[in-house]
Amino acid sequence: EAQVTQNPRYLITVTGKKLTVTCSQNMNHEYMSWYRQDPGLGLRQIYYSMNVEVTDKGDVPEGYKVSRKEKRNFPLILESPSPNQTSLYFCASRKGTTSYEQYFGPGTRLTVT
Amino acid sequence: GDSVTQMEGPVTLSEEAFLTINCTYTATGYPSLFWYVQYPGEGLQLLLKATKADDKGSNKGFEATYRKETTSFHLEKGSVQVSDSAVYFCALAYNNAGNMLTFGGGTRLMVKP
Repeated sequence: EAQVTQNPRYLITVTGKKLTVTCSQNMNHEYMSWYRQDPGLGLRQIYYSMNVEVTDKGDVPEGYKVSRKEKRNFPLILESPSPNQTSLYFCASRKGTTSYEQYFGPGTRLTVT
Repeated sequence: GDSVTQMEGPVTLSEEAFLTINCTYTATGYPSLFWYVQYPGEGLQLLLKATKADDKGSNKGFEATYRKETTSFHLEKGSVQVSDSAVYFCALAYNNAGNMLTFGGGTRLMVKP
């Protein structure tokens, strides 16, 4: 089954404790992206990647890091989480410039206390 | 920069009522337009799309027409069902850009039996 998976689905952590949210897709897509969803703001892009070792900032990159060492994986790293990063996070993938459809993961709900 | 504005919700309708969710956009170029749907506890799914002016996207009884003159992409359905209850997001994207999607704030639809 074609899908985007994220882990963990739920995470409660404390300020300053480094964490990683994993994202994996099994569709051999070139493009991958991370979004955060906050009430009334829709989804805002954090980082995106157009291929292995190619990443760039989205609209709200502060406080986040990403890496793309393999085509299928695109982890999101919070080096020192803060309460304002409490949000619902989605990973998405897209085949490339010839395809518009994006496939979203199920989401990771992060709470930073 | 580009932006997408949606009507605020929630929108509450009775089953079989007519649905309109307004969406307008501001864009520097000629984007493609999308509607995504998010069912409770799930990620976003592409509902329909339109890639150029006057195109009509349609799926599952939903329709939206790309109106360049009014910069709008309103979502309509003639007869809603309880199963249509979800959050609907309007979005735009450029097919050759890595910065993949700009979303509106989302509109929650609740359909009562």
